[in-house]
Amino acid sequence: DTGVSQDPRHKITKRGQNVTFRCDPISEHNRLYWYRQTLGQGPEFLTYFQNEAQLEKSRLLSDRFSAERPKGSFSTLEIQRTEQGDSAMYLCAIRPRSGNTEAFFGQGTRLTVV
Amino acid sequence: AQSVTQLGSHVSVSEGALVLLRCNYSSSVPPYLFWYVQYPNQGLQLLLKYTTGATLVKGINGFEAEFKKSETSFHLTKPSAHMSDAAEYFCAVSEGGGSYIPTFGRGTSLIVHP
Repeated sequence: DTGVSQDPRHKITKRGQNVTFRCDPISEHNRLYWYRQTLGQGPEFLTYFQNEAQLEKSRLLSDRFSAERPKGSFSTLEIQRTEQGDSAMYLCAIRPRSGNTEAFFGQGTRLTVV
Repeated sequence: AQSVTQLGSHVSVSEGALVLLRCNYSSSVPPYLFWYVQYPNQGLQLLLKYTTGATLVKGINGFEAEFKKSETSFHLTKPSAHMSDAAEYFCAVSEGGGSYIPTFGRGTSLIVHP
């Protein structure tokens, strides 16, 4: 148990559709990160939240990507008008409260755009 | 700015042989360094980390890594490979005291032959 639950685990969608992924942190934390991982590559940082505040979003890949975190609890990542190039694993991670330096990852959501 | 270079996208060893996975980093401030392992269709699991103090760090599953500031390296080793070690390994760097956003390398696939 990494302290992070992601839903769904797999998503297949048609090009042009909108998709939303959910991340539920189980453990106490102060930061929540979203990453994208394409085949054969390392995770690529997208955005992060500290509590409810989205502190970095310039690395979101385009204006089709957005993330929210209402009330500092769960977080969602939405991709509008999906393209085949959006096919990837989307990973959510948390950084536990002070004293920890590492990020703990969920199992990810595998998106396939057909 | 920070970055990670992992030399060799694939490393192949025989069971029982030494494992050496290479990682070089770039960071403008004292770095925090991490190794993660990823099994197929799974999230990332932390193997070990370096923050401050002792430069030789031990992790789970018999892995260890040594921080060498002069060489800007953080290579991962294990004395004797097991079949179960076959996986993707990622080196990551974050800026201690800053945003703590981990930046990942492209990964090294470890193949273990019987």
